[in-house]
Amino acid sequence: NAGVTQTPKFRVLKTGQSMTLLCAQDMNHEYMYWYRQDPGMGLRLIHYSVGEGTTAKGEVPDGYNVSRLKKQNFLLGLESAAPSQTSVYFCASSYSEESYEQYFGPGTRLTVT
Amino acid sequence: TQLLEQSPQFLSIQEGENLTVYCNSSSVFSSLQWYRQEPGEGPVLLVTVVTGGEVKKLKRLTFQFGDARKDSSLHITAAQPGDTGLYLCAGASTSGTYKYIFGTGTRLKVLA
Repeated sequence: NAGVTQTPKFRVLKTGQSMTLLCAQDMNHEYMYWYRQDPGMGLRLIHYSVGEGTTAKGEVPDGYNVSRLKKQNFLLGLESAAPSQTSVYFCASSYSEESYEQYFGPGTRLTVT
Repeated sequence: TQLLEQSPQFLSIQEGENLTVYCNSSSVFSSLQWYRQEPGEGPVLLVTVVTGGEVKKLKRLTFQFGDARKDSSLHITAAQPGDTGLYLCAGASTSGTYKYIFGTGTRLKVLA
């Protein structure tokens, strides 16, 4: 039981490049979330999903796209990376609306130059 | 827009001292969680409080949810170096959209 895993752990991109971050969970959770963490700003929700095939926008969705084709996976895409997207990205999952407890992955540190 | 402000932002104390971290908002939350985050890792849930006025204890940590479910506090008794980390509160939206609002964080350092 690995919990929530994220791939890759580190990445450096040049402005304008694209990439996809992969999040996988093996806990059969319905809900999955992508956050970014910046110094002094806590965690901000980018996009979230309440089930396979569904996605919704969070607080800071601009410049990001997501897909949830399989229940266990939640992908975060950057189509044209910008320096403002330099951050640490965390994926999280939770079981149901009755259980608000989120389980987080180890994070992906992304630098855009 | 729901916001959660934490205070203090930074705290450096000696081992054995007590401390309290506050999490405040003008919005009502259906529940509130406290997380601790170590460098290079994701946040790990410490506790969830659901009922206004609720108090939960986890060894030397005491968590309280405000009566109006707008604020919360975390009190640590006799802090130890192992308590060092970033403490985050997170409120669950009452709008039923399964969104969580995270506080700005309190970075605690306990010196031996």
